This record gives sequence, structure tokens and C-alpha cells, in this order.
Amino acid sequence: DVAMTQAPHSLSVTPGQPASISCKSSQSLLYRDGMTRLYWYLQRPGQSPQLLIREVSNRFSGVSDRFSGSGSGTDFTLKISRVEAEDVGVYYCMQSVQFPITFGQGTRLEIK
Amino acid sequence: VQLLESGGGLVQPGGSLRLSCTASGFTFSTFAMSWVRQAPGKGLEWISGIYSDGGGANYVDSVRGRFTISRDDLKNTVYLQMSSLRAEDTAVYFCAKGGKKFLDYWGQGALVTVSA
Repeated sequence: DVAMTQAPHSLSVTPGQPASISCKSSQSLLYRDGMTRLYWYLQRPGQSPQLLIREVSNRFSGVSDRFSGSGSGTDFTLKISRVEAEDVGVYYCMQSVQFPITFGQGTRLEIK
Repeated sequence: VQLLESGGGLVQPGGSLRLSCTASGFTFSTFAMSWVRQAPGKGLEWISGIYSDGGGANYVDSVRGRFTISRDDLKNTVYLQMSSLRAEDTAVYFCAKGGKKFLDYWGQGALVTVSA
């Protein structure tokens, strides 16, 4: 299975400040079709996960442009340019280059 | 898009349970569907996906042989038949649209508790 490792496990951010989450995979997420199968999700407290970023850097419909994704191969980053109160929750990266689909362990973001 | 899970509950170890997920707001028959679970206080675990047009299904090793995913495109519903349930299967089970690339919409989840 492809192991996904996120860092940090948690972070506390002052509103208006940036935040960054790292995700590293145990093998390349570049698929044979040329797309990199790395996705980011946010699970707000008490809610189901919601898709933020698809294929490394493409924001999903309705997602704020404060969120951006970057990376390639095995190293990826999610950045929030200016954290807001509504960004609180657990962020997960996910890969689908190989079955089973696997998730990182999650990064909890809280507001200072 | 709406996904509504049902069928969760309390079941004894070794027992069985069937979850259902009824979808609306998209052409169900043309999309893969997945089940993802989350044990209490833990992260997300994809457990199974079923593909459109008879494309088959996949399972994570921990449930293969015990769980069966199926779909009824006329009812816009995906099922998860769970048998030989164990305490470690206790989780909220989410239905999600997708499964070959990404999961773009998720239901609110159904709680399954395996306990004597």
C-alpha cells in the first residue's frame, strides 16, 4: 500500500496568518495518464470530509482561492494564505495512484 | 449532489449488517462509488469501491472476504454488506461519489457499532 505521511500533526494559527501542511507519499503519485493522483480534503468538526484540491493544485468547485496546492512525485504541500475561523478542522491528503486508496493521518488546524 | 446513508446500528461481534446509500443530483450509473470509514477519533480509511458499467470492485485487505459492495443503478443506490463483524469495524461509514480518481461528494455517514 502507498503510505501517506503528513506533517505537522497539528498546528495553531492566528487568523490572517498563513498555514502550510506537508504530505509525503511512499512512492510516486504520477499516474500513467500523466496526472498526479494527490488530493486534499478538509473535515470540519462534526461534518463529513469535503474535497479542496484535486490533482495536486486544482481547486475544487467553490473552494476559496486562499487554498493552494503544490508539489510533485512524492512531496506535496497545501497552503492557506490567510487562515480564517471557518478553516478549523482536520486536513487529509489522499492518493489514488494505486489501490487501495490511502489517506494521510490528518493534520488538525486550530485558531489561536 | 446528495448522498444519504442508512442501515447503521449496533450489532454483535460475528454479526452482519447492510448499509445503503441513496444518491441524487447526478447520473448515478456513470460514476464509481466508494465507502470510507472513520473509527472513533481516528482518520479516514477507504474500504471499498465499485465502478460503473460492470467495471468490478476493489476492497482493502482488512475487509476483503467479509464485506461486499454492490449497486443498483435503477434505484441510484450503493450497498455495503458487512459480515463477520469485529469490534475494530466500529466506525462511521461514509458513502462517497467516485473511487477511480477522487471522492468529490460525501454523505453524512452511518454509525456502525460492533459490541456485545
